[in-house]
Amino acid sequence: AQTVTQSQPEMSVQEAETVTLSCTYDTSESDYYLFWYKQPPSRQMILVIRQEAYKQQNATENRFSVNFQKAAKSFSLKISDSQLGDAAMYFCAYRTNFGNEKLTFGTGTRLTIIP
Amino acid sequence: DADVTQTPRNRITKTGKRIMLECSQTKGHDRMYWYRQDPGLGLRLIYYSFDVKDINKGEISDGYSVSRQAQAKFSLSLESAIPNQTALYFCATSDWKTVMREEQFFGPGTRLTVL
Repeated sequence: AQTVTQSQPEMSVQEAETVTLSCTYDTSESDYYLFWYKQPPSRQMILVIRQEAYKQQNATENRFSVNFQKAAKSFSLKISDSQLGDAAMYFCAYRTNFGNEKLTFGTGTRLTIIP
Repeated sequence: DADVTQTPRNRITKTGKRIMLECSQTKGHDRMYWYRQDPGLGLRLIYYSFDVKDINKGEISDGYSVSRQAQAKFSLSLESAIPNQTALYFCATSDWKTVMREEQFFGPGTRLTVL
């Protein structure tokens, strides 16, 4: 079974600075997807960015980018120019391409933005 | 209007009561999921359904049942609620026919408290 580990329960960053959230995962599969979801105080789960395992190029969405290291099974999220609206819980998730295709989530990192 | 809706948004009930959480979607997706979120544990899959006639247990299905009344509706029931079922419950959908089949779209969540 796949597991996803987020080793930073809480992080904080100064507004306008850059922060990196860590995620590692364990799998024996070669074809899968990885995601970062944001959960603000409204509790809505919002997809931030996705990465396909067979693509070597790191995904980027505006101020959000990932560092995907497939051999190391690492998938970190970098947030540049942090804004107050970035304050939220961030969840890393793994999706298998086989069977139920379910999402396996990490335990989350709470990000605080310091004005 | 939201594409994935959940009712109720908040519910307080007593131990032993039967309760149903409902999920509806207007996205036309065939796949629906129920997840549970607990502090420090991330989201875990309870049940999933790939179509009206296909319902499967997730990793934590004990104490829960589901019904897929139509492609657009997927209900989660607690036959006899217990306090450790106090959690935030999310419904999600996905559509294997689309190019972005790997993405799951989440409802706003239902916060359930069992006293």
